[in-house]
Amino acid sequence: EAGVTQFPSHSVIEKGQTVTLRCDPISGHDNLYWYRRVMGKEIKFLLHFVKESKQDESGMPNNRFLAERTGGTYSTLKVQPAELEDSGVYFCASSLRQGGTYGYTFGSGTRLTVV
Amino acid sequence: DAKTTQPPSMDCAEGRAANLPCNHSTISGNEYVYWYRQIHSQGPQYIIHGLKNNETNEMASLIITEDRKSSTLILPHATLRDTAVYYCIVRSHTGANSKLTFGKGITLSVRP
Repeated sequence: EAGVTQFPSHSVIEKGQTVTLRCDPISGHDNLYWYRRVMGKEIKFLLHFVKESKQDESGMPNNRFLAERTGGTYSTLKVQPAELEDSGVYFCASSLRQGGTYGYTFGSGTRLTVV
Repeated sequence: DAKTTQPPSMDCAEGRAANLPCNHSTISGNEYVYWYRQIHSQGPQYIIHGLKNNETNEMASLIITEDRKSSTLILPHATLRDTAVYYCIVRSHTGANSKLTFGKGITLSVRP
């Protein structure tokens, strides 16, 4: 089966611009998660979708970040306007069930650089 | 905050077993022990998980102490491709605690 796909793999934007990251989960996986690692820090949870609904968005840093999952398939994470501290690697993961016998499957991430 | 503590790094020789320790003294009864790893420039990769019994799969073995306050991930025959950061995570399967809370992990270096 195809894995979790993230696009783009790299993005370089200027401070104040908008960037949209996309995640295509494994087909049939209702649970979709966003995580990120900013420079020098640990990987942090951002939010969790179950189908198209936000189950937990406690990790979203502020209102410049907007995640959507229309139709319960792919998800987008928009950063508007981007700030320097948003630079990092953004990971998406999916799982069949919330617990998941085999854990999550992560994508390779999008490396975002804000200059 | 992560509920686990791991040494920052360790190394082992290629072909030998790598034993990666983890302490999770505050683990609660419904929390599982998960291990993930992140190879440079890739996303985290699931390795194995367990509740209280020892577990084995094609990648590794997980040994959990009887009191569940610590565990050891064993890579039986480490290869150079096993060089990565390994994360030990405790996680519930339901509710808000079902998300993964990553700590700093342990950097495993496999030497030729």
